Amino acid sequence: QKEVEQDPGPLSVPEGAIVSLNCTYSNSAFQYFMWYRQYSRKGPELLMYTYSSGNKEDGRFTAQVDKSSKYISLFIRDSQPSDSATYLCAMSYYGNNRLAFGKGNQVVVIP
Amino acid sequence: GAGVSQTPSNKVTEKGKYVELRCDPISGHTALYWYRQSLGQGPEFLIYFQGTGAADDSGLPNDRFFAVRPEGSVSTLKIQRTERGDSAMYLCASSLSPQGADNSPLHFGNGTRLTVT
Repeated sequence: QKEVEQDPGPLSVPEGAIVSLNCTYSNSAFQYFMWYRQYSRKGPELLMYTYSSGNKEDGRFTAQVDKSSKYISLFIRDSQPSDSATYLCAMSYYGNNRLAFGKGNQVVVIP
Repeated sequence: GAGVSQTPSNKVTEKGKYVELRCDPISGHTALYWYRQSLGQGPEFLIYFQGTGAADDSGLPNDRFFAVRPEGSVSTLKIQRTERGDSAMYLCASSLSPQGADNSPLHFGNGTRLTVT
């Protein structure tokens, strides 16, 4: 079993819809939880960052962490065609940037 | 203000050859990481430098892979006797400090796409 599980199935949604993505993990020592966005042939860029359980909102993006269930989510409201990308969840232990990534979800927002 | 720079952006080499991939981190960033991303997968950790020294090289797959950062800035990932299975995107990332956290996230370059024929 991988440390971080992310169902890699592609996701197509109409413009304006809510996109919901999630990851599960097995190691309870993870403390920091991130979502990265990766456009085709580009490096990942940090989208959201949360520490421990709870919600964090940034514009149209909301990240949720439930440490008791070892489950994290990303919600994108009012999705735009420019949101079309691969979204990677990542997590790390306290005090370092050695990240464990999920496989990524390819999201396509159809105008 | 430039981001992490990686060269070349693409590299095609024949099986058995030696390759070097270069990473120029953000100025002032002391921590530098190499990750490898295969098609349809998330990035996987290879090695981490704090300053000039490799603080954690446990992700390197075998002794054909080696990385250096002699002056604490630019880093080079070296792969000897390349194999077709080495084909992947090699990503470099840097951060202000190794501690992570909200004030020191990882900044990735756009990678070098290595193809071994």
